Amino acid sequence: DGGITQSPKYLFRKEGQNVTLSCEQNLNHDAMYWYRQDPGQGLRLIYYSQIVNDFQKGDIAEGYSVSREKKESFPLTVTSAQKNPTAFYLCASRGTVRTDTQYFGPGTRLTVL
Amino acid sequence: KNQVEQSPQSLIILEGKNCTLQCNYTVSPFSNLRWYKQDTGRGPVSLTIMTFSENTKSNGRYTATLDADTKQSSLHITASQLSDSASYICVVTRENQGGKLIFGQGTELSVKP
Repeated sequence: DGGITQSPKYLFRKEGQNVTLSCEQNLNHDAMYWYRQDPGQGLRLIYYSQIVNDFQKGDIAEGYSVSREKKESFPLTVTSAQKNPTAFYLCASRGTVRTDTQYFGPGTRLTVL
Repeated sequence: KNQVEQSPQSLIILEGKNCTLQCNYTVSPFSNLRWYKQDTGRGPVSLTIMTFSENTKSNGRYTATLDADTKQSSLHITASQLSDSASYICVVTRENQGGKLIFGQGTELSVKP
């Protein structure tokens, strides 16, 4: 999985609770990304960060928040405002060369009970 | 609208047979096209990357082609193995968009003994 770790692998949450998904990379990559994957759909971008202390909303940012205090870490918080949070969440990172590949972590499956 | 469409949605083949997966895109401006392999419950792993000037790229038994004029790509798998069972995702990067990717919905390949 290219030096990117995500934890936990499985996460269960009660409705109304916030939960934070961890993403750490040791690839010295500047850019990091969070995606959501639902069955039968392509990955959708939630948030991305191209440099420490800076991040931008992706296509489906509502109900999510992120921080980028360290280059290695890009945690994602799923808030109670996210109406349908059950999904598979993938974190990725990328170097700065134009054709650099995005390397994905192993993913976290979040289930809301 | 920037889109990536893949076909077929799913495919079942016998071990040892060849198969070809298709990808059509309407992404502009085009930077590069990647094929990823995603095993169930895991993060995607890059198989090939092609820029505008490349029309074929191989990675072992995987061969990708790109026709930038018709905006079509294919992934050919030779002598399939049981371990090839996975989702294959076509991904296009737009130029000057900070590495943001546009994902197809994937083709689910099942290789049977």
